[in-house]
Amino acid sequence: GAGVSQSPSNKVTEKGKDVELRCDPISGHTALYWYRQRLGQGLEFLIYFQGNSAPDKSGLPSDRFSAERTGESVSTLTIQRTQQEDSAVYLCASSDPGVNTEAFFGQGTRLTVV
Amino acid sequence: RKEVEQDPGPFNVPEGATVAFNCTYSNSASQSFFWYRQDCRKEPKLLMSVYSSGNEDGRFTAQLNRASQYISLLIRDSKLSDSATYLCAVNKGSSYKLIFGSGTRLLVRP
Repeated sequence: GAGVSQSPSNKVTEKGKDVELRCDPISGHTALYWYRQRLGQGLEFLIYFQGNSAPDKSGLPSDRFSAERTGESVSTLTIQRTQQEDSAVYLCASSDPGVNTEAFFGQGTRLTVV
Repeated sequence: RKEVEQDPGPFNVPEGATVAFNCTYSNSASQSFFWYRQDCRKEPKLLMSVYSSGNEDGRFTAQLNRASQYISLLIRDSKLSDSATYLCAVNKGSSYKLIFGSGTRLLVRP
């Protein structure tokens, strides 16, 4: 596709359930980022992939959060046993470091835990 | 100290005003610098890259001060539509990873 695609765009889940968020980066982009943004707050870094490996996962807030990337393409962010404080917009971005490090964002997944 | 810092604002200015934001970064090895704009409930979008020689795009001017380790964004003749949050991004030292500031909120009033 032309841009970064995220799905679902909105997700409402019950507390305690697991959720999976998907990100399709721009084709050929080897770098991929996940961020969390709570209402009215700044971007909170979660994890950075270069290819299929994650050299920096320092932002994952707890062991309930995990992410993987396969084929240097699609990435999934999984949140287990969701809590109300997980409610936020989860943004994915990708970049092609071989050309320029600027990152392009998807429209995000708005997660609401009830 | 945070790796990338911005004044959260809000900066409240009248239409037509000139406003400037700074963004400081901690790693002197950083090489790539960007300004992003984020509208309410939207994703951030690239506004402009910041080059060593500075660059200008219409009413927007971005500059880099390596000695003091900050980048700046100047907006001239502010429009109501400039109201948004402006995020700076800097690569982490010699790596490709981008670090984002928390953003500066701009409100342009009639």
